[in-house]
Amino acid sequence: QLQLQESGPGLVKPSETLSLTCTVSGGSISSGSYYWGWLRQPPGKGLEWIGNIYYSGSAYYNPSLKSRVTISLATPKNQFSLQLSSVTAADTAVYYCVSVSFYFCYMDVWGKGTTVAVSS
Amino acid sequence: QTVVTQEPSFSVSPGGTVTLTCGLSSGSVSTNYYPSWYQQTPGQAPRTLIYSTNTRSSGVPDRFSGSILGNRAALTITGAQADDESDYYCVLYMGSGSWVFGGGTKLTVL
Repeated sequence: QLQLQESGPGLVKPSETLSLTCTVSGGSISSGSYYWGWLRQPPGKGLEWIGNIYYSGSAYYNPSLKSRVTISLATPKNQFSLQLSSVTAADTAVYYCVSVSFYFCYMDVWGKGTTVAVSS
Repeated sequence: QTVVTQEPSFSVSPGGTVTLTCGLSSGSVSTNYYPSWYQQTPGQAPRTLIYSTNTRSSGVPDRFSGSILGNRAALTITGAQADDESDYYCVLYMGSGSWVFGGGTKLTVL
């Protein structure tokens, strides 16, 4: 059974880079059956797709965040990561990592989410 | 940029039927957008309900169903229960490895 777990700092200073890691268990991130993605949810607001990466390394980003986002794979560790640069208070959110079915195009397995606050 | 629209809120009586919909700011939703639906209760991660328009995710009761109604994707809950009171999100696949979320519908059961 595929499981995902987010980890990373819960507090980031404005203008710095937010870095999160998602550890995958019960399956391999080298599987061609999934994209590996990040979503976020600001307090009291809806969900927002940030981006995905495929096992080949091809990455796809939300156009509104593209200039600040990098998603990468750490295949030997069965992990993938999110970096979001030049953060502001608007980036305060719960961040979720997800597996996204390559064939059926939906968010299949969700991590529990991790809260990141941007504050000095 | 494409906007995915959902009703901000809806209410249903216990035992009743409700249909939530998901549209596009420009154009019609079709199966080509692989519409999927997610349920979220406060403080919890979302749960996958429906994918590829009308396929229930594992363990989802059959009172949840998905379809295309006119030019919108739809999620119908038949025989609503108190614990169906949640936020419901629609997601559309826009192609080229990208997705867009709707703003969510807050469903009240009363």
